[in-house]
Amino acid sequence: GESVGLHLPTLSVQEGDNSIINCAYSNSASDYFIWYKQESGKGPQFIIDIRSNMDKRQGQRVTVLLNKTVKHLSLQIAATQPGDSAVYFCAENTYSSASKIIFGSGTRLSIRP
Amino acid sequence: DTAVSQTPKYLVTQMGNDKSIKCEQNLGHDTMYWYKQDSKKFLKIMFSYNNKELIINETVPNRFSPKSPDKAHLNLHINSLELGDSAVYFCASSLQGGETQYFGPGTRLLVL
Repeated sequence: GESVGLHLPTLSVQEGDNSIINCAYSNSASDYFIWYKQESGKGPQFIIDIRSNMDKRQGQRVTVLLNKTVKHLSLQIAATQPGDSAVYFCAENTYSSASKIIFGSGTRLSIRP
Repeated sequence: DTAVSQTPKYLVTQMGNDKSIKCEQNLGHDTMYWYKQDSKKFLKIMFSYNNKELIINETVPNRFSPKSPDKAHLNLHINSLELGDSAVYFCASSLQGGETQYFGPGTRLLVL
């Protein structure tokens, strides 16, 4: 399934399927991008990052894709598990703004058993 | 071991009161932050300190005053609390500005 991270939409995915969470970032000058996972009652937790000189980066079960042409970032989660249920945020860093990271509005990922 | 810790976890108080939230990080990071997360989960930076020096101060009411006694601590004092201050406040730290940030567990503030 896919979703765009605006106004906290919910993405519902069958357990075992792949999840794709999308994010449109705002500043073409941003050169560092991060995905965070926030579980209920907890603080955001770093998942994976990517710099603007790359277009793909893989971690354990997660892949981040960056398309600078259209200012688009996506997080792919393979074989989604119940523990993946959380709100996912993309964030961009604009070095011209004294290292201020700007967070997107988040996407809630819900897993169906 | 807790990397970034905040106290208290919950804070319920009356309008007009003054309250403080404390944050400590044991990661040896130089930069610390305060964020506010509203009921719609939107995360917005409030302040950033690098080695005890203020480097980011967003358009936050001057009722909010951060204090960094040393680079491992960044406390947030709020005067004359208002209903709209109700939110979850997160402290975070990074090795340097612009690097990956590590977040605390949050302080849930409810102003009645």
